[in-house]
Amino acid sequence: QVQLQESGPGLVTPSGTLSLTCAVSGGSISSSNWWTWVRQPPGKGLEWIGEIYHSGSTNYNPSLKSRVNISVDKSKNQLSLKLSSVTAADTALYYCARVDTVRYFDLWGRGTLVTVSS
Amino acid sequence: DIQMTQSPSSLSASVGDRVTITCRASQGISNYLAWFQQKPGKAPKSLIYAASRLQSGVPSKFSGSGSGTDFTLTISSLQPEDFATYYCQQYNTYPYTFGQGTKLEIK
Repeated sequence: QVQLQESGPGLVTPSGTLSLTCAVSGGSISSSNWWTWVRQPPGKGLEWIGEIYHSGSTNYNPSLKSRVNISVDKSKNQLSLKLSSVTAADTALYYCARVDTVRYFDLWGRGTLVTVSS
Repeated sequence: DIQMTQSPSSLSASVGDRVTITCRASQGISNYLAWFQQKPGKAPKSLIYAASRLQSGVPSKFSGSGSGTDFTLTISSLQPEDFATYYCQQYNTYPYTFGQGTKLEIK
């Protein structure tokens, strides 16, 4: 059974770079799936960040595109998220999810909370 | 961006009740609509995709309908484990967008 586990620093300083990884277990990141990141600020709604295919093809939310980079490490079976120039507005619970072949998010990780603060 | 509007934002119901949550898209999205359930501290759980198709393993008490701009999620015979927050999401057009959520609480 495929499982997703997000990890990374829980605290990032303003203007710094947020870096998270999502480990895929029980399956291959090189399967016929895209992989995606979604975030949820405390008490607010969900925002799609972007997605990646194992080939390296990506799609990003235009609202974050200038600051976001999503990558895949096939040797470690994981995907990564980097968000630069962070502010308090980037404080959120960050989720990774698998995108089914018919494009909906069929499997989610539990998420990891990142706080941007000095 | 396509705006997804859910109603109601919160809903109180009793065990055994049947409830319906609606989701409206600001423009047509065909049937590229998913519903999922979120409980505190847990991974969001996919319930329905393609507006009406049940995710494998999800009980048939959950059902979805709609196409174009108007969609509904119906949950029948509510049980304690169904009290959670429910979200709709469109995956027709980038950027993918979500409804604001409907919190289903025990009356």
